[in-house]
Amino acid sequence: QQQVKQSPQSLIVQKGGISIINCAYENTAFDYFPWYQQFPGKGPALLIAIRPDVSEKKEGRFTISFNKSAKQFSLHIMDSQPGDSATYFCAASDSWGKLQFGAGTQVVVTP
Amino acid sequence: KAGVTQTPRYLIKTRGQQVTLSCSPISGHRSVSWYQQTPGQGLQFLFEYFSETQRNKGNFPGRFSGRQFSNSRSEMNVSTLELGDSALYLCASSLDRDIQETQYFGPGTRLLVL
Repeated sequence: QQQVKQSPQSLIVQKGGISIINCAYENTAFDYFPWYQQFPGKGPALLIAIRPDVSEKKEGRFTISFNKSAKQFSLHIMDSQPGDSATYFCAASDSWGKLQFGAGTQVVVTP
Repeated sequence: KAGVTQTPRYLIKTRGQQVTLSCSPISGHRSVSWYQQTPGQGLQFLFEYFSETQRNKGNFPGRFSGRQFSNSRSEMNVSTLELGDSALYLCASSLDRDIQETQYFGPGTRLLVL
């Protein structure tokens, strides 16, 4: 049973557009929410992470929005570039640290 | 600083065999976690080791085991391989005891079971 539900499964966006990926969770013990980016043939790499005491975190063109009451969080990629084409995973963990991953979203940015 | 390295990168085995995968964490990192990645199940946590002790375990059968050495290098073993064990096995390391610190992933070992 997937503890973190991620949508959409895939996304096509034009260069310069905004990519939005959503995740939802049920376990209220989760207190750390990272996003990972994975290119073909590579392991996932941490992109940005948030804790529930803040509602938004921005790093460059990447922003996490967090809604604690709705138990949802999302990744926004602003000004999407072809180099952003990758698979994105949301994840969540409690203080024991076992990361639970979403199913992944394949993002394709067209020139 | 060298990243997480995993060997071998690719492996082909037959059903019933066993396999050992190796992971060398980033220098100075003491926590090593293992994940299985498949198209159907996504990324699933196998286990985590810190200072040679298994600290966390996922929901995998006992055929999956691991260990960590005093230099923080880790191995995972899968015995009596099944077709469904075909997957990308990823290792991730982090600096210290707080597992919520950034985990750095290796490129993975792709295992194919025939």
